[in-house]
Amino acid sequence: NAGVMQNPRHLVRRRGQEARLRCSPMKGHSHVYWYRQLPEEGLKFMVYLQKENIIDESGMPKERFSAEFPKEGPSILRIQQVVRGDSAAYFCASSPLGGTYNEQFFGPGTRLTVL
Amino acid sequence: AQTVTQSQPEMSVQEAETVTLSCTYDTSESDYYLFWYKQPPSRQMILVIRQEAYKQQNATENRFSVNFQKAAKSFSLKISDSQLGDAAMYFCAYRVSLLSGGGADGLTFGKGTHLIIQP
Repeated sequence: NAGVMQNPRHLVRRRGQEARLRCSPMKGHSHVYWYRQLPEEGLKFMVYLQKENIIDESGMPKERFSAEFPKEGPSILRIQQVVRGDSAAYFCASSPLGGTYNEQFFGPGTRLTVL
Repeated sequence: AQTVTQSQPEMSVQEAETVTLSCTYDTSESDYYLFWYKQPPSRQMILVIRQEAYKQQNATENRFSVNFQKAAKSFSLKISDSQLGDAAMYFCAYRVSLLSGGGADGLTFGKGTHLIIQP
């Protein structure tokens, strides 16, 4: 069973461009979470999605950031008009439906660099 | 809002010795989960150990154990017989229990402790 897949692993964008980060959850997992890790910081929760639904986006910046988890295909975190402050590592995690504590399995992350 | 505090930015220990990493948290919930994650230089987040708040018994996973003090809201990680492969960033994390009707299911992380193993 393959783990959580994220691509690309490294992404370089110039200010004003768009960044698209992809996450394929583990097989059988229907919950996806996105986190951002700034340098020298812990991970910060951004958004929690189930298939075709955003459950909680309380950690998402109000502008330029959006996320989706379509019925088919990977979850996408989209950042429009990137700025230098968006440079960070973005982690995706998935968990299965049900269970008592729903362990979150993390992907390897995408490191975004904005020039 | 829940917060997680790790007061030790960096810790150093001799190989084969024991080290304890500190974590405190703040919450008004009574039912929740606590986790320790390891992040080696590869940046992959690896779950080390977890603790359910309703369980009084401290969790143990091989050389890793926790000291969970619910009243003090403290959750420290003890690593026995430290090995070179234990060198990494260690993050303490919190999540409210789904059974408590919690809102966000996202984890709240501390800022991390950089653990150095001296050979």
